[in-house]
This record gives sequence, structure tokens and C-alpha cells, in this order.
Amino acid sequence: LAKTTQPISMDSYEGQEVNITCSHNNIATNDYITWYQQFPSQGPRFIIQGYKTKVTNEVASLFIPADRKSSTLSLPRVSLSDTAVYYCLVGPTGTALIFGKGTTLSVSS
Amino acid sequence: DTGVSQDPRHKITKRGQNVTFRCDPISEHNRLYWYRQTLGQGPEFLTYFQNEAQLEKSRLLSDRFSAERPKGSFSTLEIQRTEQGDSAMYLCASSGGRELYNEQFFGPGTRLTVL
Repeated sequence: LAKTTQPISMDSYEGQEVNITCSHNNIATNDYITWYQQFPSQGPRFIIQGYKTKVTNEVASLFIPADRKSSTLSLPRVSLSDTAVYYCLVGPTGTALIFGKGTTLSVSS
Repeated sequence: DTGVSQDPRHKITKRGQNVTFRCDPISEHNRLYWYRQTLGQGPEFLTYFQNEAQLEKSRLLSDRFSAERPKGSFSTLEIQRTEQGDSAMYLCASSGGRELYNEQFFGPGTRLTVL
């Protein structure tokens, strides 16, 4: 499975847009890019998934360049409740998830 | 359906004791996963069931660990002769319903403390 690299931590203020970039140089043809969010003492929660180009849902956008070697999770107008750990995962769907350490996002007022 | 549930939420045990955790997945999901998470780390995959068949086990799953899903519904994870290094959050997830992205839905976890 492709290994991912993402920043350990990021800081932001309420109302700002946050972009978290993930590198996955060895992504395979059948791999999808998936992001999960985890709050303290809770299980991870699916945010968004994409294969190429751009995907948008009510929570976030996911930008994937043509070479698919990186991806960017974009959170518009973050609030204090977006403070969490964000994980970038790469792999086929329907298989075990391989998590890294994730990016700890801290949102301040 | 209220989502994935796990029981107990917390377990404190003494080293050498056996513990068993239960996971009830979302009812229409045929896949069930167990993960373990220690402080500051992301979840680590332990094992995976499709219906009642255990299809994959991680090298992390030592001989002291055993998991079952006897009727393809709930699952149990047993740890025999617990060690202090087993202290962690044990997470269960399920997937395989009609979700578009085949995403996994996680339960709240069972926090194990081995004294």
C-alpha cells in the first residue's frame, strides 16, 4: 500500500480556509485517496474520497492533480469544532485502512 | 440503525488476565474490522471479517489475540494473558452496505488499561 506523508500539525483561526496536503508518491492505479477525521476518544469518521480531479461534499473538497502523487483536503471556513486529527489514506476500497499519524489541526478563536 | 457499538467502553484489568470485547456492526454491513490505537498514533489494523470468514490478520495479531464473528453479525476480540503493552483503544469498524464510497464506520472504541 502506498505510504502517505502529511504535516504533523497545523494551526488556524475560525473562519479561515484550511488546506492539508498529503504526499503519496507510490500510489497505485487501483488506489483511492480517502480522508478521515478523528476527535479525541472517538473513532475516525469518513470525510471524503476521490480518485482524480476534484471532489466536493457538504464538509470538504479534495483536490487531486493529474499525476495523483499528492492530494489536498480543503476545509472552508473552519470553526472550533473542526479541531481534530485528519488522516490521509491511500488504498483500494473495501480493504483494511492503513493510517499514519495524521495531521492535528488546532482551530482558535 | 444507531451505528457501530462496542462493549465495554472501558476495561481495566491486571496483567495476565483474559479480556473479551464485543462489537456490533451496522446491521447490513458484511465487513467488520478491528483496529488498535495507542496515544499519539493512528489506528493500526488487526483483523478483518467478511461475513463470518476471517480473511486477513495483521502480523500485530499475536497468538494471544483471537477474533470471531460466528454468525456474520457481532464480533468478539479476546486477548489472553494480557500484557501492559496491550493497553490501547480497540476500535471496531464495519462497511459493505449501500454507501457510495464503501467507507468504514467506526465505533466509539474500548479503552483497555492493563495494570
